[in-house]
Amino acid sequence: DAGVIQSPRHEVTEMGQEVTLRCKPISGHDYLFWYRQTMMRGLELLIYFNNNVPIDDSGMPEDRFSAKMPNASFSTLKIQPSEPRDSAVYFCASRGDPQYFGPGTRLTVL
Amino acid sequence: QKEVEQNSGPLSVPEGAIASLNCTYSDRGSQSFFWYRQYSGKSPELIMSIYSNGDKEDGRFTAQLNKASQYVSLLIRDSQPSDSATYLCAVRRGGGNKLTFGTGTQLKVEL
Repeated sequence: DAGVIQSPRHEVTEMGQEVTLRCKPISGHDYLFWYRQTMMRGLELLIYFNNNVPIDDSGMPEDRFSAKMPNASFSTLKIQPSEPRDSAVYFCASRGDPQYFGPGTRLTVL
Repeated sequence: QKEVEQNSGPLSVPEGAIASLNCTYSDRGSQSFFWYRQYSGKSPELIMSIYSNGDKEDGRFTAQLNKASQYVSLLIRDSQPSDSATYLCAVRRGGGNKLTFGTGTQLKVEL
């Protein structure tokens, strides 16, 4: 199994632009989690899905953030419009038990 | 008070020594506890999980849990330079699916 796949690995964009991060979970895992990691706040859970249904989005910081999971093998996290304070590493994780993390997307908003 | 607290470090230990990493948590409903290792620029990877009070050993790693004191620790015996990384403590409520992470402790194993 290839593990959790995320794309792009690096994204540099300008403030105000739309950003879409993508995730392919491990086949057969029924949970998918999106995290954000910064030096100041550590690893924070943004939202998670169970069987493609959003269960808890209480960690989504603002309405500028949205996430979808149209099928069991694909999820997106969208930021529109992006701001410099959104700069972070965004991880997708899938489970089984325990959680397996993807390689992350390093987002820089200028 | 943060839900999961860890000393950010860095914790420096000489090669071959025992490294002791500590974590406290505030939610008494927490039932599952995990230690993740994260190398610089990489994603977290699970190294230990523990669910019951006491010790759990896996190779050079020992996880210790004391629910009464709301305390979980990770001991690394015979520390190697390759153990240099940030160690993240995570907890999960009973019956829940969310992990709450601490901000991590940076460990440096010096030659």
